[in-house]
Amino acid sequence: DVKVTQSSRYLVKRTGEKVFLECVQDMDHENMFWYRQDPGLGLRLIYFSYDVKMKEKGDIPEGYSVSREKKERFSLILESASTNQTSMYLCASTGTIGFAGQPQHFGDGTRLSIL
Amino acid sequence: AQTVTQSQPEMSVQEAETVTLSCTYDTSESDYYLFWYKQPPSRQMILVIRQEAYKQQNATENRFSVNFQKAAKSFSLKISDSQLGDAAMYFCAYRRKLTGNQFYFGTGTSLTVIP
Repeated sequence: DVKVTQSSRYLVKRTGEKVFLECVQDMDHENMFWYRQDPGLGLRLIYFSYDVKMKEKGDIPEGYSVSREKKERFSLILESASTNQTSMYLCASTGTIGFAGQPQHFGDGTRLSIL
Repeated sequence: AQTVTQSQPEMSVQEAETVTLSCTYDTSESDYYLFWYKQPPSRQMILVIRQEAYKQQNATENRFSVNFQKAAKSFSLKISDSQLGDAAMYFCAYRRKLTGNQFYFGTGTSLTVIP
C-alpha cells in the first residue's frame, strides 16, 4: 500500500512567519503534488514536481514555493504567511508506470491556521 | 486549463437507495482519464473508480459505477445500495493521457446518507 505522510495534521502559525509543510511518500513515485482545499472551491493545485529538483507551477502558486531535494520528499513553503493562506493543504503522489492512468495517493492533509 | 464541473454541491440519499452524482468536463483531447475520489469526514481522500476515455465500456467497482458519455463530456457516478459509510465529499477529476502530469478537480459534492 502506498503511504503518503504529511508532517502535521493541524498547524497554527502567525502572519509573517515562514511555514514549512512536509510530505513523504514511500512508493518511489516520480510525481508529487501540493493542493489547497477550500469549501466550494475544490482542490486547487499549487505546485507539482515530476522529478527531483524539478517543479512546475500549478494554478495558484503565488505566495508559495516548493522544494524537492529527494525523490520521496516534497516540501511546501509559505514564504511569509498571511491569513488568506488559512486552509487545508493536501499532498499527493503518483507513479509514472502506466502514466496518466495512475491515480493519485493522498496524505491525510494539514489544516493550517494563520493568525 | 481544463474545467471540471460538479453542479451539485450537496446531495442526500436514503440508506439502501441509489444516488447519482454529476460531473461534466471541458476538453479538446480525445484520450484522457477520469476519476472519482471520495473524501470521508476528516479522513484521507481515496480513489473510488477510474475510466479511460478510449474505452467505451463504463467502469464498475462493486456498488459504484459510472455513466460515461464522451460526446456529452459527462461522467456521472452511481452509488447503488447506499451505506452510511458512503457519506463523504466526492470529487471528479480529469487527467490528460499525454503529458498528463496535472489532475483537474471539480469543486466536490457532499453526500449525506440518511438512515
